[in-house]
Amino acid sequence: DTGVSQDPRHKITKRGQNVTFRCDPISEHNRLYWYRQTLGQGPEFLTYFQNEAQLEKSRLLSDRFSAERPKGSFSTLEIQRTEQGDSAMYLCASSSADQETQYFGPGTRLLVL
Amino acid sequence: RKEVEQDPGPFNVPEGATVAFNCTYSNSASQSFFWYRQDCRKEPKLLMSVYSSGNEDGRFTAQLNRASQYISLLIRDSKLSDSATYLCVVSLFNFGNEKLTFGTGTRLTIIP
Repeated sequence: DTGVSQDPRHKITKRGQNVTFRCDPISEHNRLYWYRQTLGQGPEFLTYFQNEAQLEKSRLLSDRFSAERPKGSFSTLEIQRTEQGDSAMYLCASSSADQETQYFGPGTRLLVL
Repeated sequence: RKEVEQDPGPFNVPEGATVAFNCTYSNSASQSFFWYRQDCRKEPKLLMSVYSSGNEDGRFTAQLNRASQYISLLIRDSKLSDSATYLCVVSLFNFGNEKLTFGTGTRLTIIP
């Protein structure tokens, strides 16, 4: 499978715990995006990278959230001190700089109890 | 006001019918426009880009009215497989490889 992959697919955690999600983009794509989607809503932009540089961060990305893409390949999204309001689907997407389409991964579904 | 507004539906439409969705966007500086499709509990996938001249892809036709800041999607001869949520998407940039702003989606169910 050469699409975008995300791990884990599901995560249940207790409030206050830290969680980390991983995204592996399509191999030749230099842009990588994180979005969050809650029930009944469309995806909301969180942040994106071009290679290893984080180019934009949404105001939704509070200081409890951090994203990295250290070698310009896979990316991690960490949420510290999780809150119930963090429960959502976290979607990763990738694209190349000259391409119109963002290809989404299957998402990581987070439930904070 | 939301940046991209859509009627959430649901739209329940008999197979073979024509269905139209509309969407409005608030930022007149928006440069590129798309319709994405999302099946239940799956990731969004690009259905088609939307151009000012209008564009067609098989049974799907998309239109953009920049003056009214309005985007539409028309599905003709609807199939059971068209059942999904249709997301209206805009970007401030010329391509879809920058930050995308999504509407809440319009849920469509095609009834046999």
